Amino acid sequence: QPVLTQPPSASASLGASVTLTCTLSSGYSNYKVDWYQQRPGKGPRFVMRVGTGGIVGSKGDGIPDRFSVLGSGLNRYLTIDNIQEEDESDYHCGADHGSGSNFVYVFGGGTKVTVL
Amino acid sequence: EVQLLDSGGGLVQPGGSLRLSCAASGFTFSSFAMTWVRQAPGKGLEWVSAISAGGHNTYLVDSVKGRFTISRDNSKNTLYLQMNSLRAEDTAVYYCAKEGVVVGAEGFDYWGQGTLVTVSS
Repeated sequence: QPVLTQPPSASASLGASVTLTCTLSSGYSNYKVDWYQQRPGKGPRFVMRVGTGGIVGSKGDGIPDRFSVLGSGLNRYLTIDNIQEEDESDYHCGADHGSGSNFVYVFGGGTKVTVL
Repeated sequence: EVQLLDSGGGLVQPGGSLRLSCAASGFTFSSFAMTWVRQAPGKGLEWVSAISAGGHNTYLVDSVKGRFTISRDNSKNTLYLQMNSLRAEDTAVYYCAKEGVVVGAEGFDYWGQGTLVTVSS
């Protein structure tokens, strides 16, 4: 099954941009990844799914246009433009793997985003 | 509006049991797969279990196989997680989440507020 690696932290000044990276382990370059936002003390919220061709399907409910994704090789990126205070959150990536009795869903360790 | 209301958490001794529930509304519950995800204090997310829309196919992470059972009652729009032989490492906030029509096909697009399970003597 894939391993998803995320840097533990990232920061950006108010109004600037930040790009978060989720890196798939070798051999899983065709996998799609889901991004989730988790504000402090709250449950996760679906942001969007990304493959090598970009967004797959639709953004989650209420996700602003300043959130976008790209995929390249083993990396899946989430970019937040014009970052706002309410974007300060933990961001988790996840991916499904296998089928039948071998099905699993794996998460990365999460990236804590701080708005300066 | 899609709503998922998690309940059933609490303090339980090691080896004990709990049953979590997730009451769903705002969508056709019987048409969508559902999932449980947990988060230990200060840690990341861990997928625990999933169930197909009709309830015939279930999936569990290895660490809970033989101890946890996922089920659903589509007539009551409710998802369950029966947790037996609980261990300290099962301590976490448990979230139910809605999937797409097929397990794993579309990510988890709506989440409950979570219910805290604490396993301690």
